[in-house]
Amino acid sequence: DAMVIQNPRYQVTQFGKPVTLSCSQTLNHNVMYWYQQKSSQAPKLLFHYYDKDFNNEADTPDNFQSRRPNTSFCFLDIRSPGLGDAAMYLCATSTGTTGANVLTFGAGSRLTVL
Amino acid sequence: GQNIDQPTEMTATEGAIVQINCTYQTSGFNGLFWYQQHAGEAPTFLSYNVLDGLEEKGRFSSFLSRSKGYSYLLLKELQMKDSASYLCAVRDSNYQLIWGAGTKLIIKP
Repeated sequence: DAMVIQNPRYQVTQFGKPVTLSCSQTLNHNVMYWYQQKSSQAPKLLFHYYDKDFNNEADTPDNFQSRRPNTSFCFLDIRSPGLGDAAMYLCATSTGTTGANVLTFGAGSRLTVL
Repeated sequence: GQNIDQPTEMTATEGAIVQINCTYQTSGFNGLFWYQQHAGEAPTFLSYNVLDGLEEKGRFSSFLSRSKGYSYLLLKELQMKDSASYLCAVRDSNYQLIWGAGTKLIIKP
């Protein structure tokens, strides 16, 4: 089945220790997104790629970086995680960014910072 | 600023009907989405409205009034598995998705 796969599902790290989260898709979608979601809050968009074009949200901290080496893969790097970065990180894909383009989400990576 | 308002939590009884409201103030409008999110899981797509009126899809229906900046999601014949959060999201004039914080729906036997 075509899908969006995130690894790892659960990540525990220490304060300040870098973390990389990965996302792969078999949908051949042009757009890939990274969202941060904290408990009972709206998903917060960190970045998105339209093909290789990178779009950084204005309020995304510099501590967060992203790479998309090819159509299928996207990575989220957190260079120095703080306690406030503990959250669910959701990867999503879509064919485009307009109108009825539906986002398909991965199962998420839950980050715990000790 | 842009804003999506939804009730934080609602409770309903198995077999009943529940209506979850969403009001929005956004810079422009290019469609409204409803997603279902079970605890600890990813959101899954339920419905999309871009024109006024009711869209029906099985037990779930979604309504939109653009002039009022208002939508609702109607769930019929509630089942225990419908216990989840329901997220409303609006695409603005720049095609950015503005998300609500979600409504946690609790179903009681």
